[in-house]
Amino acid sequence: GAVVSQHPSWVICKSGTSVKIECRSLDFQATTMFWYRQFPKQSLMLMATSNEGSKATYEQGVEKDKFLINHASLTLSTLTVTSAHPEDSSFYICSARGLAENTGELFFGEGSRLTVL
Amino acid sequence: RKEVEQDPGPFNVPEGATVAFNCTYSNSASQSFFWYRQDCRKEPKLLMSVYSSGNEDGRFTAQLNRASQYISLLIRDSKLSDSATYLCVVNMVTSGTYKYIFGTGTRLKVLA
Repeated sequence: GAVVSQHPSWVICKSGTSVKIECRSLDFQATTMFWYRQFPKQSLMLMATSNEGSKATYEQGVEKDKFLINHASLTLSTLTVTSAHPEDSSFYICSARGLAENTGELFFGEGSRLTVL
Repeated sequence: RKEVEQDPGPFNVPEGATVAFNCTYSNSASQSFFWYRQDCRKEPKLLMSVYSSGNEDGRFTAQLNRASQYISLLIRDSKLSDSATYLCVVNMVTSGTYKYIFGTGTRLKVLA
């Protein structure tokens, strides 16, 4: 099946620093990638939809200037958490679907666990 | 009302039992439906897609009822390894964009 790789798996940073998370589709081209955040014992919450070559679409309540998304190629999307604070500590997961598949299954990265001290 | 709703559980069942989960969705224009499984501190993994005619994969059966806007997952002969959180996922179009909306998940614990 399709593979999505996410890096880093774990990151611990100091408050005020920025953290970049990468999401790569390894064996298929992903025109659309989705970024989710999951707090303990809660479900995945969609943060934004990342479209190759255009601006990301952010969900209500998600600050686009704080969570910068770049989708410069068909195989790579990045999420940068700028000026991270302890409340940003969470499990961030990216997912992707293949070309011309608006309703197909999602393929998930392994997730990135962010801890902000 | 949440777009996708599930009973969070936990469902504690003995090995060998049959257990069923339901999930309701609010958007009648939803396009596709899935059940994902998520183990603790891991990413979700696709368990099965849900088709209008219903579908079965081994011990797992999924059904879709568009009229009542719910999907179900039935697990027969539960194994200890089935213990996980089961996420209902609905793909819907909102403001011209396809989005995958997750339910809160239903926790299942299969007991020896």
